[in-house]
Amino acid sequence: GDSVTQMEGPVTLSEEAFLTINCTYTATGYPSLFWYVQYPGEGLQLLLKATKADDKGSNKGFEATYRKETTSFHLEKGSVQVSDSAVYFCALRVKRGAQKLVFGQGTRLTINP
Amino acid sequence: NAGVTQTPKFQVLKTGQSMTLQCAQDMNHEYMSWYRQDPGMGLRLIHYSVGAGITDQGEVPNGYNVSRSTTEDFPLRLLSAAPSQTSVYFCASSPPVGGGGELFFGEGSRLTVL
Repeated sequence: GDSVTQMEGPVTLSEEAFLTINCTYTATGYPSLFWYVQYPGEGLQLLLKATKADDKGSNKGFEATYRKETTSFHLEKGSVQVSDSAVYFCALRVKRGAQKLVFGQGTRLTINP
Repeated sequence: NAGVTQTPKFQVLKTGQSMTLQCAQDMNHEYMSWYRQDPGMGLRLIHYSVGAGITDQGEVPNGYNVSRSTTEDFPLRLLSAAPSQTSVYFCASSPPVGGGGELFFGEGSRLTVL
């Protein structure tokens, strides 16, 4: 079935470091891919998305490129800030069904000043 | 600008008790869903609805019941709570498929079953 695998956390970085959070997926067909972010005590909110191969989603300095050949959607940011500390979820949309999303297990990111 | 509203935010139950988690959205979204979030397991889909009067099971439906009598509301019922249902529950809604697939989440309801 459809699934999403994220890199194990937690991840701890210093401010201004480069960030990569790996995400790979297994899906039938060509799903849409998403990154969601969950700040402490809040619900999830959409960070960025890509709907077809080679699309690049970007928002708030974060980027991710939909790579069909490697079935990946890695999240990157060139210079992280303390305010980026959160849990990040990679997800795919099962197009053939309803608006269901399949989520990865989440990666907790902590940025130290 | 309410979006998706969940109540209660926190609840403690004893094993065997029943309760209802409320979810309401004011965006006229057709699609609504319930997820549970457990450490190391991400979010797992419990039940979902594609419109009023239509519901279906997700990945982990056992022990939960839902109904969708209006577009706005999608309550989740725990019929006989068990410690395995200790979790954080999120309600989410989405516009029709052509809307891009984004889910809008509530702030979550933390449930503890003793």
